[in-house]
Amino acid sequence: AQSVTQLGSHVSVSEGALVLLRCNYSSSVPPYLFWYVQYPNQGLQLLLKYTSAATLVKGINGFEAEFKKSETSFHLTKPSAHMSDAAEYFCAVSVDTGFQKLVFGTGTRLLVSP
Amino acid sequence: EAQVTQNPRYLITVTGKKLTVTCSQNMNHEYMSWYRQDPGLGLRQIYYSMNVEVTDKGDVPEGYKVSRKEKRNFPLILESPSPNQTSLYFCASSFIPSGANVLTFGAGSRLTVL
Repeated sequence: AQSVTQLGSHVSVSEGALVLLRCNYSSSVPPYLFWYVQYPNQGLQLLLKYTSAATLVKGINGFEAEFKKSETSFHLTKPSAHMSDAAEYFCAVSVDTGFQKLVFGTGTRLLVSP
Repeated sequence: EAQVTQNPRYLITVTGKKLTVTCSQNMNHEYMSWYRQDPGLGLRQIYYSMNVEVTDKGDVPEGYKVSRKEKRNFPLILESPSPNQTSLYFCASSFIPSGANVLTFGAGSRLTVL
């Protein structure tokens, strides 16, 4: 069965600093990988997804993630944090089993200070 | 506007009092799913449905029921709520399920069971 591990339940950065949120996955077959973001009092929305077309995936709001098979990682980065990036971020993995079985990580709350 | 609508958004109830959380989507999606979100545990799948009259258990189905009588609706039923079902609940949907599909989430329903 597939799984994801997000290192760090909370990450704090200053506005303008690099954002790095870590995600490692486990899957016995080629995975699909996702990052979802949850702003306060809202549902989750897709930030970006990896479906094997390209290892570097660009998402909304300047975020990107790189799929590294050798490291089983899919870390999320943004060169310069903005106050509006403060939210909870979830990494998720799925495989083709004939239905959508999306397995989420435990989430990382990003705090951005002025 | 394409969306998943959940009601109620907030609910406080007492142990044993049956309740239903409704979920409706207007995108003609075949696949629908319920998740619960708890601090430190991320999102865990409760039940899912691949189409009308087709439902199956997720990872944490105990204490919950669902039905899918119409394509657009997927209500979550708590027959006899208990305090350990206090949580934030999300409904989500997508087209014909495959591993690469993106889920559209509702805004969430925060349930407190006293």
